[in-house]
Amino acid sequence: LAKTTQPISMDSYEGQEVNITCSHNNIATNDYITWYQQFPSQGPRFIIQGYKTKVTNEVASLFIPADRKSSTLSLPRVSLSDTAVYYCLVGAYGGATNKLIFGTGTLLAVQP
Amino acid sequence: AAGVIQSPRHLIKEKRETATLKCYPIPRHDTVYWYQQGPGQDPQFLISFYEKMQSDKGSIPDRFSAQQFSDYHSELNMSSLELGDSALYFCASSLVGSDTQYFGPGTRLTVL
Repeated sequence: LAKTTQPISMDSYEGQEVNITCSHNNIATNDYITWYQQFPSQGPRFIIQGYKTKVTNEVASLFIPADRKSSTLSLPRVSLSDTAVYYCLVGAYGGATNKLIFGTGTLLAVQP
Repeated sequence: AAGVIQSPRHLIKEKRETATLKCYPIPRHDTVYWYQQGPGQDPQFLISFYEKMQSDKGSIPDRFSAQQFSDYHSELNMSSLELGDSALYFCASSLVGSDTQYFGPGTRLTVL
């Protein structure tokens, strides 16, 4: 599975847009990019997934350049409740086993 | 909507004791994953099951065993507990081939 690199921490203020970039230089052709969010002492929660270009849902947007060696999770107008650890995961899905390999996530701290 | 259920939510054991953690997946989900998250660490994949058969295995100690039953619930059995086993244990479920895993609230195991 491709190794990912993302910032250990980021700070933001309420109402700002936050962009968290993840590097995955060794991404394979059939790999997808998935982001999970984890609040303290809670299980991770799926946020968004993409393969290329741009994906948007009600929570976030995911931007993936043409070479797919990096991706950016964009959180619009963050609030205090968005303070959490965000994990970028890369892997191929569709088989009988889709274990998630978590690297070091990004701790986003949103301040008032 | 129904979520993944884990029991117990908290468990305190002494060294060398045994523990059994239970996981009830979302209805109609056929795949169960177990993850361990130590204090200040990222979740680590332990083991997964699909249709009651082990489908993948991660860094699970030999002292641990798990199974999935006919009703798809899963149990993680831990023996000869060590202090280092103190962690949050998450169960996640999904439909086979799905790229989204739904995590339970976790069981916090404390070994004294």
